[in-house]
Amino acid sequence: GESVGLHLPTLSVQEGDNSIINCAYSNSASDYFIWYKQESGKGPQFIIDIRSNMDKRQGQRVTVLLNKTVKHLSLQIAATQPGDSAVYFCAEMGGGGSNYKLTFGKGTLLTVNP
Amino acid sequence: EPEVTQTPSHQVTQMGQEVILRCVPISNHLYFYWYRQILGQKVEFLVSFYNNEISEKSEIFDDQFSVERPDGSNFTLKIRSTKLEDSAMYFCASSDLFGLMFFGSGTQLSVL
Repeated sequence: GESVGLHLPTLSVQEGDNSIINCAYSNSASDYFIWYKQESGKGPQFIIDIRSNMDKRQGQRVTVLLNKTVKHLSLQIAATQPGDSAVYFCAEMGGGGSNYKLTFGKGTLLTVNP
Repeated sequence: EPEVTQTPSHQVTQMGQEVILRCVPISNHLYFYWYRQILGQKVEFLVSFYNNEISEKSEIFDDQFSVERPDGSNFTLKIRSTKLEDSAMYFCASSDLFGLMFFGSGTQLSVL
């Protein structure tokens, strides 16, 4: 089975609310995770990453939380805006050196209602 | 801001024809990748490339697929004899030494 998966396929929020997108992984050896945003017809766009030596990392309006005990990470978007509407993927980075490889989850569709 | 660029954005081809998808990775990156995404599904790894050779490839990347870095800036994916099931969005990506990948906007391949 896949090593990275998402709890919910869709999430609908009101503009201005905070959004939380969840992701579970199965490989306890995983040590690097990345959240990507994909808008319709575009490629995955890097949002934020986190390594396993951290449990929280903040960016501009986004926060990623990593709980290694239960193998779960989440993406929090503060004050969600219509432009945040997209599919969000968590991805696990495997390998290293010349063998980097991302394993993507299925994605969560975030819809922001004005 | 540096970005990965891909051409063409759309490619329509007949089954059995050869296609070449083109990519210009970020200039100071050394690692290059192709991923694909069938409509409505997740993004899947195809192949990674470093130092002018394939580092790793997935089961999808069979003998019909090949990659090449013909010069100092381009990175190509060739499908020799396309099949209907090759229809997908193909993404090129590149990364730095630490593995953080940046993706292009993709080429939508339609095999008829």
